[in-house]
Amino acid sequence: AQRVTQPEKLLSVFKGAPVELKCNYSYSGSPELFWYVQYSRQRLQLLLRHISRESIKGFTADLNKGETSFHLKKPFAQEEDSAMYYCALSGMDSSYKLIFGSGTRLLVRP
Amino acid sequence: EPEVTQTPSHQVTQMGQEVILRCVPISNHLYFYWYRQILGQKVEFLVSFYNNEISEKSEIFDDQFSVERPDGSNFTLKIRSTKLEDSAMYFCASSESGGPASTDTQYFGPGTRLTVL
Repeated sequence: AQRVTQPEKLLSVFKGAPVELKCNYSYSGSPELFWYVQYSRQRLQLLLRHISRESIKGFTADLNKGETSFHLKKPFAQEEDSAMYYCALSGMDSSYKLIFGSGTRLLVRP
Repeated sequence: EPEVTQTPSHQVTQMGQEVILRCVPISNHLYFYWYRQILGQKVEFLVSFYNNEISEKSEIFDDQFSVERPDGSNFTLKIRSTKLEDSAMYFCASSESGGPASTDTQYFGPGTRLTVL
């Protein structure tokens, strides 16, 4: 079964603290993994994808096929990082639909 | 920067009525999608559309749903006879291509909140 799991509904950290948003997936083929972010009153937007291996706004994510994980990390959280973060996958070998996790709300406190 | 737009932002309708949700994808994009998010739940895939036909649909996308690209710019989702459980935020998305390349990022619209009474 195709599934994305984000175990934390809410993650609250202080400004400057490290952040790790967890994401695990289940997919039988070759997945492509994404992190989407939704800031307050804004649309879903792509933060990063594993295939591009970029660091966006200080965030990185490494695909670990052994652990079927794609955790999102940032060494020093900023208040403007407060948002809803969604992990998603699509199939590189067939369907390009996105399968989303339930999302984690990140709250960065001053 | 080009964006996906959706109208209306909020639609209230009575159960059993037909609704049409409208989307204008980014102009050079070829793949179009509808997703929905029931309050407090995950964003769920409904349907993908390419070359004027449905590429894939989920089990949610039953006979009550249909999609259309009536002209060169709009992409619509029609629900023929709305049910209470259709109340959700509906997101349109588009991508330049559908493959694992840098151009296939799905860009989302702001959503239409559908409330069925």
